[in-house]
Amino acid sequence: EVQLVESGGGLVKPGGSLRLSCAASGFTFSSYSMNWVRQAPGKGLEWVSSISSSSSYIYYADSVKGRFTISRDNAKNSLYLQMNSLRAEDTAVYYCAREGIAVAVSYFDYWGQGTLVTVSS
Amino acid sequence: QSVLTQPPSVSGAPGQRVTISCTGSSSNIGAGYDVHWYQQLPGTAPKLLIYGNSNRPSGVPDRFSGSKSGTSASLAITGLQAEDEADYYCQSYDSSLSGLDVVFGGGTKLTVL
Repeated sequence: EVQLVESGGGLVKPGGSLRLSCAASGFTFSSYSMNWVRQAPGKGLEWVSSISSSSSYIYYADSVKGRFTISRDNAKNSLYLQMNSLRAEDTAVYYCAREGIAVAVSYFDYWGQGTLVTVSS
Repeated sequence: QSVLTQPPSVSGAPGQRVTISCTGSSSNIGAGYDVHWYQQLPGTAPKLLIYGNSNRPSGVPDRFSGSKSGTSASLAITGLQAEDEADYYCQSYDSSLSGLDVVFGGGTKLTVL
């Protein structure tokens, strides 16, 4: 059974940093691209970042470019999101999501339960 | 404002058929990019419902179907059930000056009357 478990969320002051982790199990982690998707309270979904299976290709939404860094450790079956210079508008539930491989346009076939990041003074 | 436009809400009685539209433009759906759909039950993570415009993952009932035409896509739910009450999101790619972005619709809240 595919499982994605996020951790590392919490309360942080504006300008602060936080590192999210996502532990994957139940599939060959090193074969899949992975993503972070966030959802602000009461709002819709927003794609944040993606990383290819071997970390060769990395992409970010304009809203986080230069502040967030995605990475992965295939030996540990883990995905990470380093978030720096956090702003109030980064407050959201952050989901780790596996990227499906059946069609050319990225889609997310498995999601974690999410971890809440709150940026407030 | 989302790049893909969905109605904020739709409703239907049990057993009825409802559709949710997802309207894009020539830089996303109209450019030929596939559309995917997700269901988010209250308080839970999103779940993949339809991928590649009209394909259902294993375990998704055939009451759910997707289609795409021109710059729009639609999700249809037949035989509406109380458990279908949720938020629904469409997703695709959008090509912009900064490259190719993953984009979501703003979401549609389905109420089963």
